[in-house]
Amino acid sequence: ETGVTQTPRHLVMGMTNKKSLKCEQHLGHNAMYWYKQSAKKPLELMFVYNFKEQTENNSVPSRFSPECPNSSHLFLHLHTLQPEDSALYLCASSQGSGTNYGYTFGSGTRLTVV
Amino acid sequence: AQKITQTQPGMFVQEKEAVTLDCTYDTSDPSYGLFWYKQPSSGEMIFLIYQGSYDQQNATEGRYSLNFQKARKSANLVISASQLGDSAMYFCAMREGRGSGNTPLVFGKGTRLSVIA
Repeated sequence: ETGVTQTPRHLVMGMTNKKSLKCEQHLGHNAMYWYKQSAKKPLELMFVYNFKEQTENNSVPSRFSPECPNSSHLFLHLHTLQPEDSALYLCASSQGSGTNYGYTFGSGTRLTVV
Repeated sequence: AQKITQTQPGMFVQEKEAVTLDCTYDTSDPSYGLFWYKQPSSGEMIFLIYQGSYDQQNATEGRYSLNFQKARKSANLVISASQLGDSAMYFCAMREGRGSGNTPLVFGKGTRLSVIA
């Protein structure tokens, strides 16, 4: 499979549950990202990983915990979420840090917290 | 201050007509890249076109072209010969140079384009 793959596509979870979102890229990219997209808001950058190292945490609450075991895989572990955390979570990857490198995005996980 | 401003929340265009989606940006970095993405209702963000700050010519990719006006800090997307499948959200984004660090893409709020038959 090519590109960026996110699983699951849809997730409904209770506020006391623990779940994980998975992202996988087969493009040989060395940077991966998590974005949150809520209704009527710009895409919000959550986390940045370069060569498996976290380089940016955009003041994300601790109930979101990222994990990057290697350059191809990225996880977002979720626990004790709030209803306002319901959103589309997008994973992306990029080849490098230059201004000419755009992102390749996955299809997203649509999360609903009940 | 917002780095990327898209002032049109929604736009309508007749099929086969051209449409321009506005984008202005704010940066003091001389090196930056500008991107446009399309997001259909399925959710995936699809890369459309790229313009570098040092590029002399406007970027073109098939029916997409970017009207780059550096002095005005605008990077409008022009879609020619609109098709029903062009109905989607469109996002303008920028990536600044800021030395050798990995600066992330910053997105505008998007414009919802609806193509009418």
